[in-house]
Amino acid sequence: GAGVSQTPSNKVTEKGKYVELRCDPISGHTALYWYRQSLGQGPEFLIYFQGTGAADDSGLPNDRFFAVRPEGSVSTLKIQRTERGDSAVYLCASSEGGRPDTQYFGPGTRLTVL
Amino acid sequence: QKEVEQDPGPLSVPEGAIVSLNCTYSNSAFQYFMWYRQYSRKGPELLMYTYSSGNKEDGRFTAQVDKSSKYISLFIRDSQPSDSATYLCAMSLNTGGFKTIFGAGTRLFVKA
Repeated sequence: GAGVSQTPSNKVTEKGKYVELRCDPISGHTALYWYRQSLGQGPEFLIYFQGTGAADDSGLPNDRFFAVRPEGSVSTLKIQRTERGDSAVYLCASSEGGRPDTQYFGPGTRLTVL
Repeated sequence: QKEVEQDPGPLSVPEGAIVSLNCTYSNSAFQYFMWYRQYSRKGPELLMYTYSSGNKEDGRFTAQVDKSSKYISLFIRDSQPSDSATYLCAMSLNTGGFKTIFGAGTRLFVKA
């Protein structure tokens, strides 16, 4: 079946603007994760959803970052008042039944804040 | 000290060599251990996963977990140029939100 998809693949915005990044998980996967990856680094955990609820949002760097998953499938990561330091690749992963050891990643959204 | 340490490399080997990739960690509560392969400008691809200690083999890949030493390894036998990528180790707790911590990744080059 189809893998995890993310849109857009690239997003260029100006400092101070609002952006939304979308993730479509693998059908039937109840768990969804968001990560941020900077150049030369591993993915950094942001938030984990089990169903519709955020089970762990301890990785969100500040209150400018917010994520939702209203129907337990598609998720949107929202960043307000973007800063240049937010530039990174934002990755989404999903897994079946919430097991963290079988996360499947999407291709990522490359965010550039000018 | 980072929770997960991984030598960034780069590691360069000739085709056919056995590759050994390693990570150390500080949190003894980690229970899930994973290895991902990431090609340039792509998302990580799950290679191997193990729960708790022990070895797991899948084709040319073998994953080992030594919880007493807080050390995990990935071995690649008969390495191929197509194995050239960045290899990421990752680990999670067995509680709550399954927050997953990644190493920084090791860049591997396999020369034909």
